[in-house]
Amino acid sequence: DTAVSQTPKYLVTQMGNDKSIKCEQNLGHDTMYWYKQDSKKFLKIMFSYNNKELIINETVPNRFSPKSPDKAHLNLHINSLELGDSAVYFCASSLAGRETQYFGPGTRLLVL
Amino acid sequence: AQSVSQHNHHVILSEAASLELGCNYSYGGTVNLFWYVQYPGQHLQLLLKYFSGDPLVKGIKGFEAEFIKSKFSFNLRKPSVQWSDTAEYFCAVGYNTDKLIFGTGTRLQVFP
Repeated sequence: DTAVSQTPKYLVTQMGNDKSIKCEQNLGHDTMYWYKQDSKKFLKIMFSYNNKELIINETVPNRFSPKSPDKAHLNLHINSLELGDSAVYFCASSLAGRETQYFGPGTRLLVL
Repeated sequence: AQSVSQHNHHVILSEAASLELGCNYSYGGTVNLFWYVQYPGQHLQLLLKYFSGDPLVKGIKGFEAEFIKSKFSFNLRKPSVQWSDTAEYFCAVGYNTDKLIFGTGTRLQVFP
């Protein structure tokens, strides 16, 4: 059983396009996150949601908009994609903010 | 500001060598401490964690870590590495906020 799943796994697109990444967790966790991992493997938190409510928004451009339809899902929509958005995006979930986070398989985004 | 430092950016070892990866964090009261591993092309997986109790924590695959409160450190150790331990290792700290702070990661390469 997959605990945290993301779709798609790979995403190749042109600059200026709009794309979405979906995340689902079946762990019953209340908190979900989006991270961006750059080419140097540095992991930076972008957003966190607790029970559908935005908790953390880490100075991410407003082209990035998370949406949480329910506490098991946290999607990420990106408008007007730029070259610098190319990265691996990881979704994660936890029982609470300081607790163990469980990561999804990642979505490798390449903007051409 | 809360921060996590991993001083070893790239470590190269031969099989059977002993491993110690450093992790230091800035003071922030009571913390939760984690080590995650990311194998090539895969998502982050939890190696071990410390919340309270015995400061010497044992994790999966023969890894252990020691929490030294006076030094704000949580170093990861393994007495004898294997080629399959080649991966990126991340230290993370949960402060009294709704997020984990990750270190910049240490790339471990193990040669047969």
